[in-house]
Amino acid sequence: EPEVTQTPSHQVTQMGQEVILRCVPISNHLYFYWYRQILGQKVEFLVSFYNNEISEKSEIFDDQFSVERPDGSNFTLKIRSTKLEDSAMYFCASSVGNNYGYTFGSGTRLTVV
Amino acid sequence: GQQVMQIPQYQHVQEGEDFTTYCNSSTTLSNIQWYKQRPGGHPVFLIQLVKSGEVKKQKRLTFQFGEAKKNSSLHITATQTTDVGTYFCAEFLNDYKLSFGAGTTVTVRA
Repeated sequence: EPEVTQTPSHQVTQMGQEVILRCVPISNHLYFYWYRQILGQKVEFLVSFYNNEISEKSEIFDDQFSVERPDGSNFTLKIRSTKLEDSAMYFCASSVGNNYGYTFGSGTRLTVV
Repeated sequence: GQQVMQIPQYQHVQEGEDFTTYCNSSTTLSNIQWYKQRPGGHPVFLIQLVKSGEVKKQKRLTFQFGEAKKNSSLHITATQTTDVGTYFCAEFLNDYKLSFGAGTTVTVRA
């Protein structure tokens, strides 16, 4: 069964450093998403991406965040200057169309120290 | 935007028993999705309900969408240890934003 692949599985970074989280969505999916989940809390929407541009973003997704689809297969989330409160599990997801079920990757656990 | 409320937050179930978790909205939903997240895992899509009063079954799981499309439920019969995890309902706030409820975390006593 097709999978969404995320790397790395764990990332520890110092406060103020930049991090890039990588995702390879399912190949025939057209919509891509980033979510985050702080330990024990709900799954929070960050951003959706379609047709090579951001289609929706949450209030969490401020100027420190950016997304890119650099080569037609990878989908990345960059956090420019990490803060302690950015520590969370970050999930990438993709879907074949809008209003369809999402396939989530296994996540990247980001720890900011 | 609207936000779905899930109850209960925690459900402790004796193995073999049935339970139901609920997802409620103050506004009419276009559709509702359910996901399961095992401990330490990622959300896995279970089902989408679209029609008023719709009922769908997956083995021991029964999903229902209310007649007014303002609530949904997930009923699990004969709970097994494999049912452990958090069950989320999720609503589309628009075509590009799927918003998750807070989830019901299920533990099972063997």
